[in-house]
Amino acid sequence: GAGVSQSPSNKVTEKGKDVELRCDPISGHTALYWYRQSLGQGLEFLIYFQGNSAPDKSGLPSDRFSAERTGGSVSTLTIQRTQQEDSAVYLCASSLDRTGLGYFGPGTRLTVT
Amino acid sequence: SQQGEEDPQALSIQEGENATMNCSYKTSINNLQWYRQNSGRGLVHLILIRSNEREKHSGRLRVTLDTSKKSSSLLITASRAADTASYFCATDAWSDMRFGAGTRLTVKP
Repeated sequence: GAGVSQSPSNKVTEKGKDVELRCDPISGHTALYWYRQSLGQGLEFLIYFQGNSAPDKSGLPSDRFSAERTGGSVSTLTIQRTQQEDSAVYLCASSLDRTGLGYFGPGTRLTVT
Repeated sequence: SQQGEEDPQALSIQEGENATMNCSYKTSINNLQWYRQNSGRGLVHLILIRSNEREKHSGRLRVTLDTSKKSSSLLITASRAADTASYFCATDAWSDMRFGAGTRLTVKP
C-alpha cells in the first residue's frame, strides 16, 4: 500500500545494545515525526523533520537517542546502549507539509530485556 | 512538553449514549486533529478541523474548535462497543504535532 511503513514490527534486545528503527514515509511527504508510547502512557513526541531544515530534536529524552532522515525520505531512529525504560512502541508519522494531515505507521514494539 | 491535553482521562458509558471528550492546547495552531487508538493497534485519523472552522461533522463524530479558549471537543453520538479506544488530539503549532495523553473511552454493551 501507499501508507507509512515501519520496520521491524517487533524488536527484542538486551540492555546495553544499540537498535535501529526504520520509517518509510508516504512518498512526497516532507514532514516526518517520531513518537513513542510507553505502556499505559500517552504519545510522547521525539523528533520532527521538515524538508531540508534542521530537525526539531526537542523531544529526544537523552543523548542516547538520535535520528536521521536520508534524502528527505527514509528515517532511522537509533537508540544506543538501550535501557529497560526505552521499552515502548515507537511510532512514525508523515504529512505532506507542516500543516498537513498526519498519517501514522503501525509502530515498532521495542522490548529491552 | 505536551501541547494537547485531553479531558477526561477516562470515560465509561453504555452503548447508545453520547461521549464527549475535550482537548486544550497552549499555543496558536493551524489545525487540530483527533485520532483513535484501539488497544494494541495503530493510530487512526478521525477528523481534522482548521483554525478558521468552528465545527465539523463526520458520521457520528462532531468536533468543535474554540480558538479563543484554545480548546476542542469531540462528540461521539450513539456510541457502540467498537468505539472503545483511546482518543487523542494533536495540534500542529510551530510546525510539529504534539499529542496529549488521551481519553480512554469504554463503551459497555
